[in-house]
Amino acid sequence: GAVVSQHPSRVICKSGTSVKIECRSLDFQATTMFWYRQFPKQSLMLMATSNEGSKATYEQGVEKDKFLINHASLTLSTLTVTSAHPEDSSFYICSARPLRTYNEQFFGPGTRLTVL
Amino acid sequence: GEDVEQSLFLSVREGDSSVINCTYTDSSSTYLYWYKQEPGAGLQLLTYIFSNMDMKQDQRLTVLLNKKDKHLSLRIADTQTGDSAIYFCAERAGGYQKVTFGTGTKLQVIP
Repeated sequence: GAVVSQHPSRVICKSGTSVKIECRSLDFQATTMFWYRQFPKQSLMLMATSNEGSKATYEQGVEKDKFLINHASLTLSTLTVTSAHPEDSSFYICSARPLRTYNEQFFGPGTRLTVL
Repeated sequence: GEDVEQSLFLSVREGDSSVINCTYTDSSSTYLYWYKQEPGAGLQLLTYIFSNMDMKQDQRLTVLLNKKDKHLSLRIADTQTGDSAIYFCAERAGGYQKVTFGTGTKLQVIP
């Protein structure tokens, strides 16, 4: 149980285009999902916290108009990288917290974004 | 703000014990976690400990917490080549959702 999927696992796009990444909790409902970014050989940086049915809360320094987050259902959150640039190339990981739990997050396998 | 630090690299021989250390600064940390990340993959929760505990054991894994020194360690007994990965410690203060991750320790297991 407690499986989180991400799609796509890898994506290559041209500068200026937008890319959507999906995060799904497959066998549980999640009111809260988190989006992280991980640079090579570095730790995870929390980008935003996404609560179902409300606006995402962005961490300081993360541009909300650049990284659009939608959490329309209890099993799906999406991250759209708009007008992507090469510096947006990174490993994006989502996690989901099941309903009625407080201290567990289950992570997706990550999405490798490469912007040419 | 919160700060979580780990040594970057650890190399052990197969069959030996591995000890990965972590220090944190937030005295209000309530939950402390250990995650494992294999190459190109997401994070897998290995174990977690509440701040009112000193130790937690789960099969080959032993977590020790020294709250006074804000020091957390993960001991892996009988380390196997499949344990080679990056290990992240993380902390979260009670009542606040944000989890702060450490810098990660790359564990290399030599056959």
